[in-house]
Amino acid sequence: GAVVSQHPSWVICKSGTSVKIECRSLDFQATTMFWYRQFPKQSLMLMATSNEGSKATYEQGVEKDKFLINHASLTLSTLTVTSAHPEDSSFYICSAQDSGAEKLFFGSGTQLSVL
Amino acid sequence: KQEVTQIPAALSVPEGENLVLNCSFTDSAIYNLQWFRQDPGKGLTSLLLIQSSQREQTSGRLNASLDKSSGRSTLYIAASQPGDSATYLCAVNRSWGKLQFGAGTQVVVTP
Repeated sequence: GAVVSQHPSWVICKSGTSVKIECRSLDFQATTMFWYRQFPKQSLMLMATSNEGSKATYEQGVEKDKFLINHASLTLSTLTVTSAHPEDSSFYICSAQDSGAEKLFFGSGTQLSVL
Repeated sequence: KQEVTQIPAALSVPEGENLVLNCSFTDSAIYNLQWFRQDPGKGLTSLLLIQSSQREQTSGRLNASLDKSSGRSTLYIAASQPGDSATYLCAVNRSWGKLQFGAGTQVVVTP
């Protein structure tokens, strides 16, 4: 089946630093990828839609200047959390959809802890 | 605004019992509904996807039903096993690829 690779799987950083998370579709091309965030005991919430070759579309309430998304190729999207603060500590996970397929395939997620 | 609710929030059953997990959504204008399994600190595994025109899907011990008009879906897991312990999420596809998730049902199956 289709595989989406996400890394790092966990990261600890100091407040004020930036963290980059990568999401790769390994055996299919994904013109669109999605980024979600999950706080403890809460639902996964869609943050943004990442479109290859164009700007990402952000959900209401998500700061686009803080969460930079780059979809440089048909197999790679990156999420950069800029100037991270403790309130950004969360589980971040990406998904991608193979062209013509209905199912979405998810990465394994990244647990971010900001000290 | 679409809201997805899962009941119960947590469930503990002895091995061998059948599991019934409920999901409700407020807006019936969905493309499909998907059930996922999430293990602690890990990503999501897709279990079943039901198109909006379908009533149910089955895979092995898993069966999911969808009643779009009433905004409900139910996931049945027959003859539960300890390996079924995980959090189960339902998600409605509100527009191409954009999923709205419920908060999940945490399942523990005791040996």
